[in-house]
Amino acid sequence: KAGVTQTPRYLIKTRGQQVTLSCSPISGHRSVSWYQQTPGQGLQFLFEYFSETQRNKGNFPGRFSGRQFSNSRSEMNVSTLELGDSALYLCASSPTSRTGNTEAFFGQGTRLTVV
Amino acid sequence: AQKVTQAQTEISVVEKEDVTLDCVYETRDTTYYLFWYKQPPSGELVFLIRRNSFDEQNEISGRYSWNFQKSTSSFNFTITASQVVDSAVYFCAPRGAGSYQLTFGKGTKLSVIP
Repeated sequence: KAGVTQTPRYLIKTRGQQVTLSCSPISGHRSVSWYQQTPGQGLQFLFEYFSETQRNKGNFPGRFSGRQFSNSRSEMNVSTLELGDSALYLCASSPTSRTGNTEAFFGQGTRLTVV
Repeated sequence: AQKVTQAQTEISVVEKEDVTLDCVYETRDTTYYLFWYKQPPSGELVFLIRRNSFDEQNEISGRYSWNFQKSTSSFNFTITASQVVDSAVYFCAPRGAGSYQLTFGKGTKLSVIP
């Protein structure tokens, strides 16, 4: 079974530009979450999608947005990039269970550098 | 909402030594799950173990074991006979039962020296 796939792996953008990151979850997983990892703030939750609906959102400005498609693939978008957006963006997918007693599986991440 | 404290920022051990990583969490959820993840230099977070809040039985899985003490909100993780490949950053993360959102601690960087 293929794991969580994130594309691209590396990205360099200029301040003010926008960027779209993609995540393909493990087949059958309907929950997709996004996290931002920086040396200063650590791993922070961005948002979670389930069946095309955003269920939770972390404390990030509106420049950060996301969506999920009917095949569970997800994209996140960052507009008007700032230097502080440079980070490793990790996507995770989780299988659905009645009790929620499941673990999240992470992709290798997209390393975004804003110059 | 959850909060996690991993007091150990960095640990160095010599290969074959045992090492315990500490985790103290805070949660208002009555039912929750606790996880340990490992992040090697490649960046991917690798799932290690999961524990339910209603099951305090401690277990051993290969070289890994964990000690869950609900009364002290601690969820410590032990690697027995450490190996160089265990060198990574380890994260403890609780999650409430009603969400798939993980709250991560700052992580503990483990270096296993040959």
